[in-house]
Amino acid sequence: GENVEQHPSTLSVQEGDSAVIKCTYSDSASNYFPWYKQELGKRPQLIIDIRSNVGEKKDQRIAVTLNKTAKHFSLHITETQPEDSAVYFCAASPNTDKLIFGTGTRLQVFP
Amino acid sequence: NAGVTQTPKFQVLKTGQSMTLQCAQDMNHNSMYWYRQDPGMGLRLIYYSASEGTTDKGEVPNGYNVSRLNKREFSLRLESAAPSQTSVYFCASSERRGSGNTIYFGEGSWLTVV
Repeated sequence: GENVEQHPSTLSVQEGDSAVIKCTYSDSASNYFPWYKQELGKRPQLIIDIRSNVGEKKDQRIAVTLNKTAKHFSLHITETQPEDSAVYFCAASPNTDKLIFGTGTRLQVFP
Repeated sequence: NAGVTQTPKFQVLKTGQSMTLQCAQDMNHNSMYWYRQDPGMGLRLIYYSASEGTTDKGEVPNGYNVSRLNKREFSLRLESAAPSQTSVYFCASSERRGSGNTIYFGEGSWLTVV
């Protein structure tokens, strides 16, 4: 089955710097790659997603890139702010019925 | 429109006890899921249901059973709870469309097995 690896597990940055989180997946049939943000004690919420027919997608300060050949996808957050501090999860969908998540990255943004 | 609602929010069980986590969604979604979240392990899929009347195993199904009661409701049952099942459980739903699903999560159920 699909396996998603996510790195790093923790990431600390200074406010205003950029943050990059990387994921790899194993199933070449996966064609949908969302990113979720989870604040402490809250539910995960979708922040951005990308489908396999697109190489990059941007939404204000966040962007996601996808390299299907290498089975890599990444989340980029620019101009980080303290409210970006949370756990971020990548995921891959090997079919239209389920989503397999990475193990998460705890991002801390220091003022 | 409440989204995905799950109960109870908190529960303490003794080893060997049974319980059912209830989940309901009001978004008319076809697919529903149960995930568990443990520190450093991310979100792991326990069971999912692609449509009413169907259920399938996910990554970690052992020790659990599920019932898709109707389109709205998807319950998770622990028949004989074990300390290893101490976790946060999230129910989720999605509208099956195109090449991917946007999954919406409930608020989570914190379960402790002692």
